[in-house]
Amino acid sequence: EAGVAQSPRYKIIEKRQSVAFWCNPISGHATLYWYQQILGQGPKLLIQFQNNGVVDDSQLPKDRFSAERLKGVDSTLKIQPAKLEDSAVYLCASGLAGVNEQFFGPGTRLTVL
Amino acid sequence: GQSLEQPSEVTAVEGAIVQINCTYQTSGFYGLSWYQQHDGGAPTFLSYNALDGLEETGRFSSFLSRSDSYGYLLLQELQMKDSASYFCAVKKSNYQLIWGAGTKLIIKP
Repeated sequence: EAGVAQSPRYKIIEKRQSVAFWCNPISGHATLYWYQQILGQGPKLLIQFQNNGVVDDSQLPKDRFSAERLKGVDSTLKIQPAKLEDSAVYLCASGLAGVNEQFFGPGTRLTVL
Repeated sequence: GQSLEQPSEVTAVEGAIVQINCTYQTSGFYGLSWYQQHDGGAPTFLSYNALDGLEETGRFSSFLSRSDSYGYLLLQELQMKDSASYFCAVKKSNYQLIWGAGTKLIIKP
């Protein structure tokens, strides 16, 4: 069974530029999560989807971050414009509805210069 | 507010037993999860406790006391490959998972 796929794996941009990340969850997983993990810290949930609906985006900085999950499968996370403090690993995870285990992708390491 | 406290670093010897503690204070509690993350890798699920008591899965066990807002992860027969960061995470609603800062486990031969 294929795992959660993410791309790109690495991205370096300058502040005020835009960037987008893509995630393809495990087939059949209704729930999709985007996390931000700053070096030395635990993952912080940015947004959670159930199918193509948002169930929690309380920690998403909506002035610069946006995410969508069209057709309830793939998802994209966008940052526009980026700030230095956005440098982090962006993790995508998926899971079956009502099941506690989350399956993580390899992450995208973003460096903002 | 809400908080999860776990030690930042624990050191142990190969073959020994180590316990990683987690205390939490959250508005709402459904259960406590543990995840392992190797350097540069993605978190992987280890366990989930919704009820008080000990859950055992091979060399790893996880314990929860809801009345004490406390849990721990117990790793037995430590191997070098267990060197990683371990995160506790509270499920505070049907949808929200709040993560601790992680404990870096260092294993010495």
